[in-house]
Amino acid sequence: GAVVSQHPSWVICKSGTSVKIECRSLDFQATTMFWYRQFPKQSLMLMATSNEGSKATYEQGVEKDKFLINHASLTLSTLTVTSAHPEDSSFYICSAKHRGSNYGYTFGSGTRLTVV
Amino acid sequence: GDSVTQMEGPVTLSEEAFLTINCTYTATGYPSLFWYVQYPGEGLQLLLKATKADDKGSNKGFEATYRKETTSFHLEKGSVQVSDSAVYFCAFTNQAGTALIFGKGTTLSVSS
Repeated sequence: GAVVSQHPSWVICKSGTSVKIECRSLDFQATTMFWYRQFPKQSLMLMATSNEGSKATYEQGVEKDKFLINHASLTLSTLTVTSAHPEDSSFYICSAKHRGSNYGYTFGSGTRLTVV
Repeated sequence: GDSVTQMEGPVTLSEEAFLTINCTYTATGYPSLFWYVQYPGEGLQLLLKATKADDKGSNKGFEATYRKETTSFHLEKGSVQVSDSAVYFCAFTNQAGTALIFGKGTTLSVSS
């Protein structure tokens, strides 16, 4: 079946540094990638939607200069948390929509980011 | 605005018990509805879906029926197993191919 590989699965970084999270669709083409953030005991909150080869669309309240999204190919999207602060600590999950399918969404296993 | 309300957990059941996890939604138009499951240490997996009113999604013994009149999509299983222990998320999308909107998730714990 369709697989999205997300890594790292967890990362600890110092305040002020940047962290890059990658999501790769291993056996299908992902025309659209969604990035979510999940707080403990809360729902997944959509951060941004990115289409291959174009700029990401950010949800209201999400700082695009802080959360840089790149979707340069049909199999790779990256989220870079720039100048990370402790309040950015969270669980980040990507989801890829399959090309040619309106209901095919595959999720990565998530990245636990801790900023110290 | 668009949202999903899911019953609070955790839900703790004995093996072979009947399971219901309630889910209601607020959406514009005619959404497509989904249940996702997240096993410990894994990513979200699609459990079942329904794309129009009165459709019933089913998989692995789980069922949910798209009830437009009550804007609900309750998840049920007649006899749960220990292996069903996971977090269950109700979700919908207003337009095919756009981002899913999720509920908060319900943790199910099944003991033998």
